Amino acid sequence: GQQVMQIPQYQHVQEGEDFTTYCNSSTTLSNIQWYKQRPGGHPVFLIQLVKSGEVKKQKRLTFQFGEAKKNSSLHITATQTTDVGTYFCAGRKIGANAGKSTFGDGTTLTVKP
Amino acid sequence: DGGITQSPKYLFRKEGQNVTLSCEQNLNHDAMYWYRQDPGQGLRLIYYSQIVNDFQKGDIAEGYSVSREKKESFPLTVTSAQKNPTAFYLCASTFGTAATGGLFFGEGSRLTVL
Repeated sequence: GQQVMQIPQYQHVQEGEDFTTYCNSSTTLSNIQWYKQRPGGHPVFLIQLVKSGEVKKQKRLTFQFGEAKKNSSLHITATQTTDVGTYFCAGRKIGANAGKSTFGDGTTLTVKP
Repeated sequence: DGGITQSPKYLFRKEGQNVTLSCEQNLNHDAMYWYRQDPGQGLRLIYYSQIVNDFQKGDIAEGYSVSREKKESFPLTVTSAQKNPTAFYLCASTFGTAATGGLFFGEGSRLTVL
């Protein structure tokens, strides 16, 4: 079945440093979403990427979707303590079962002030 | 305010008991989902429903059952056949049957089997 791998599993940074998490799918995706889950909370939708090579920005966050639509990345510039949490990617397949989102295991970010 | 409401937030049950988790949404979303999250892991899909009176198994459906009698409601029953039911259960919804948008999650239900 479809697998979505996410690396690294954990990332510890000093406040002000940059952070990147990578997501790779074993199959071509229809679209990919990114979510943030604060400790003890629930996932919150951040963004969806649909087009090959798409790049979207939200303030200090930059999201990219690969040309082959099989990989994606989230980059945070100059991390702040409010960025702490686990970041998940979730991919949807093309065609049958397109309604299913398969999640990666997430990257947990800690930020040292 | 529109949103997804899950209840109960915390639930304890004895082995051998069935338990039903409630999920209600007033977002007028067509598709609804149940995910399970174990500590340090991602979300695994249990069941999903794209329209009323229809639902599909996800990746880990064994030991679970659902119903979708109303658009707003998608309850999940954890049966005694589920061998390791202690987990964090998350309900989500999205607009449209094609499920092309992001998922909106409830606050979750933490089930502990004693």
